[in-house]
Amino acid sequence: TQLLEQSPQFLSIQEGENLTVYCNSSSVFSSLQWYRQEPGEGPVLLVTVVTGGEVKKLKRLTFQFGDARKDSSLHITAAQPGDTGLYLCAGPIQGAQKLVFGQGTRLTINP
Amino acid sequence: DVKVTQSSRYLVKRTGEKVFLECVQDMDHENMFWYRQDPGLGLRLIYFSYDVKMKEKGDIPEGYSVSREKKERFSLILESASTNQTSMYLCASSRRTGHSYEQYFGPGTRLTVT
Repeated sequence: TQLLEQSPQFLSIQEGENLTVYCNSSSVFSSLQWYRQEPGEGPVLLVTVVTGGEVKKLKRLTFQFGDARKDSSLHITAAQPGDTGLYLCAGPIQGAQKLVFGQGTRLTINP
Repeated sequence: DVKVTQSSRYLVKRTGEKVFLECVQDMDHENMFWYRQDPGLGLRLIYFSYDVKMKEKGDIPEGYSVSREKKERFSLILESASTNQTSMYLCASSRRTGHSYEQYFGPGTRLTVT
């Protein structure tokens, strides 16, 4: 069974600080996706990483796919209150057109 | 932009009622999904449809059924609502082609069963 474990589960920091959240698995994934979910809304796709070692940037967010394609990280520089939300990683289940989701990291940025 | 809409943002129903949750996507996606999301339990797949009239059980199908009569519309049915079905319900869609199967979600329906 392909599983994704995210850490930390909860993170509360001050505005302007940097942070990194992690998504780990013992399985190899063909790609990994990151979503952000704001309170009361559905998840929104942020990025997909496909190649081992790939780094993608989205403004102050940097996403990295591990060389072995078993893990990914999300780094936020100079966090802002608008970054508050639940961050989910997900990957396609081998042989199926479904995704497995991590449990999420709930991030709170305090002004 | 992909748009997935859900019929209600908030719904309050009584125990035993039959409940219909509707989802519509406008991007001609083949795959559609229904999840429920509960604190501490993450996203759990209820049902998945990969084509019109085709469906596959997810991880927690008990107490639910689905209908997909048209490609753009996927309905979730609670035959007899119970209080343990109080939850946030999320619909999503994705393409069949490609390798990543990114999903696009609706805004969710917060269902309360009293």
